[in-house]
Amino acid sequence: GAVVSQHPSRVICKSGTSVKIECRSLDFQATTMFWYRQFPKQSLMLMATSNEGSKATYEQGVEKDKFLINHASLTLSTLTVTSAHPEDSSFYICSASLTGGYQPQHFGDGTRLSIL
Amino acid sequence: KQEVTQIPAALSVPEGENLVLNCSFTDSAIYNLQWFRQDPGKGLTSLLLIQSSQREQTSGRLNASLDKSSGRSTLYIAASQPGDSATYLCAVRLGRDYGQNFVFGPGTRLSVLP
Repeated sequence: GAVVSQHPSRVICKSGTSVKIECRSLDFQATTMFWYRQFPKQSLMLMATSNEGSKATYEQGVEKDKFLINHASLTLSTLTVTSAHPEDSSFYICSASLTGGYQPQHFGDGTRLSIL
Repeated sequence: KQEVTQIPAALSVPEGENLVLNCSFTDSAIYNLQWFRQDPGKGLTSLLLIQSSQREQTSGRLNASLDKSSGRSTLYIAASQPGDSATYLCAVRLGRDYGQNFVFGPGTRLSVLP
């Protein structure tokens, strides 16, 4: 089955640091990848849609200059949290799907980001 | 705006029981609905995907139904096991275009006691 790998699984860093999270589709090509954020005991909220070769589409309220997304190839999208602050601490999950509307989304295992 | 709710928020049952998790959505114009399982601190595992034209899907001990007109879906788990303990999320997909993504429910936290 389709596998999505997310790295790293956990990051602890100081306030002001920039953190990069990678999302890879291992055995399929994903034209589109999605980035979600999940706060404790809350559901996933879509942050942005990452499109290969073009600019990401951000959801309302998500700062595009703070959460930089790069989707340079059909198998890799990266999310960089710039100048992270404690309020950015959250669980970040990416997903990807095969091209075509009937394809289910496959999720990575998530990255737990803790900003001290 | 599409909103997804799930009832109950938490559920604790003894091993072996059959149980039903409920998902409701406000806008019936969905493309498909997907049930996921999330273990603590982990990502999502897709359980069942129901297209808008379908009524139900089955996989092993799991059965998911969809009533689009009433905005409801249920996930039925037969003969529950402690390994089923997790948070179950339902999500509706609004369209096939890349810009139309999932709206997730808040989840039902299930504990199956041995």
